[in-house]
Amino acid sequence: SQQGEEDPQALSIQEGENATMNCSYKTSINNLQWYRQNSGRGLVHLILIRSNEREKHSGRLRVTLDTSKKSSSLLITASRAADTASYFCATGANSKLTFGKGITLSVRP
Amino acid sequence: DGGITQSPKYLFRKEGQNVTLSCEQNLNHDAMYWYRQDPGQGLRLIYYSQIVNDFQKGDIAEGYSVSREKKESFPLTVTSAQKNPTAFYLCASSAGPTHTVYGYTFGSGTRLTVV
Repeated sequence: SQQGEEDPQALSIQEGENATMNCSYKTSINNLQWYRQNSGRGLVHLILIRSNEREKHSGRLRVTLDTSKKSSSLLITASRAADTASYFCATGANSKLTFGKGITLSVRP
Repeated sequence: DGGITQSPKYLFRKEGQNVTLSCEQNLNHDAMYWYRQDPGQGLRLIYYSQIVNDFQKGDIAEGYSVSREKKESFPLTVTSAQKNPTAFYLCASSAGPTHTVYGYTFGSGTRLTVV
């Protein structure tokens, strides 16, 4: 069963622009995490936000969580060509992480 | 450097064969996981283990088996009962079973193809 659903499915922006990706989920969670995957590689953990937190920052990343709307957003500021990858949200509950289908981000030089 | 090693990177299986995918970690993590990734499907959980000598089925365990005899190792066997095994397989680990404060560390994956 897939818990998180990312939106949009694909995003193409110019280098230097900001990228905003959204994730919605259906049931109660302990935390929500975002991961990045470069083509043909494993996933890399980006950031984790707990259910009692509303916003968190890490470098050029900003993640928000609205538990009343069961949604989260990931903002990447001042994007770079190297940010081109797939991004996944994952919801944590019952000792497991459930991943969405991912967003493909393309950053044009 | 600590991390997770998956081998082989590419694996070809004939119809009716069992194959075993290796996953080794030197992070001293308690919990380990196997996911399957298909195009457009995201990641789906096959099996997970929170402690040595114990493991639980995930969402798509049919046709797969695992063992957890050592903390460092969590091999996955794709049996002949798995009718559509062609996929990208990812192994992950986390420092604690509840992952409340820890993210997952992933290996680089094994791409399995049925020939």
